[in-house]
Amino acid sequence: LAKTTQPISMDSYEGQEVNITCSHNNIATNDYITWYQQFPSQGPRFIIQGYKTKVTNEVASLFIPADRKSSTLSLPRVSLSDTAVYYCLVGPGGGADGLTFGKGTHLIIQP
Amino acid sequence: DTGVSQDPRHKITKRGQNVTFRCDPISEHNRLYWYRQTLGQGPEFLTYFQNEAQLEKSRLLSDRFSAERPKGSFSTLEIQRTEQGDSAMYLCASSLDRSLNRETQYFGPGTRLLVL
Repeated sequence: LAKTTQPISMDSYEGQEVNITCSHNNIATNDYITWYQQFPSQGPRFIIQGYKTKVTNEVASLFIPADRKSSTLSLPRVSLSDTAVYYCLVGPGGGADGLTFGKGTHLIIQP
Repeated sequence: DTGVSQDPRHKITKRGQNVTFRCDPISEHNRLYWYRQTLGQGPEFLTYFQNEAQLEKSRLLSDRFSAERPKGSFSTLEIQRTEQGDSAMYLCASSLDRSLNRETQYFGPGTRLLVL
């Protein structure tokens, strides 16, 4: 499985756009990039998934450059409730296997 | 609520005791996963079921741990002779086989275990 590297922590303020970048230099051809969010004392929650270029949903956008060696999760106009740990995961499409989580990025939003 | 549910939410036990946790997945999901999460770390995969068949086990799943999914619906995770190192959050997740994009796993709220 491709190893991912992301910042341990980030700070921002309400109303700002937050971008969290994840490096995955050894991503394989059939790997997808998935981001999960986790609040304290809760299970992780799926945010977004992509393979290449840009994906957008009601919560976030995911930007993936052509070489796919990194990806950026973009959270528009964050609020205090976006304070959480964000995990970047890389793994193959199809089939099933246990997800491999790193330590994630602890995002702290201040008023 | 049609999400993944886990019971109990919290469990305190003494070292050496056995504990059992239950997970009820989203009803139409055929895949069920167990993870363990310790403080400051991401979840670690333990085991996975497709319907009632246990298809994969992590090396983290020692012989004191056993999981079942007898009818392909709910699952139980039992820890025998608990040790203090077993203290963690135990998470259950379920998913539906799409066989295309990487599947989305839906997590329950977890069971927090404290072994004294």
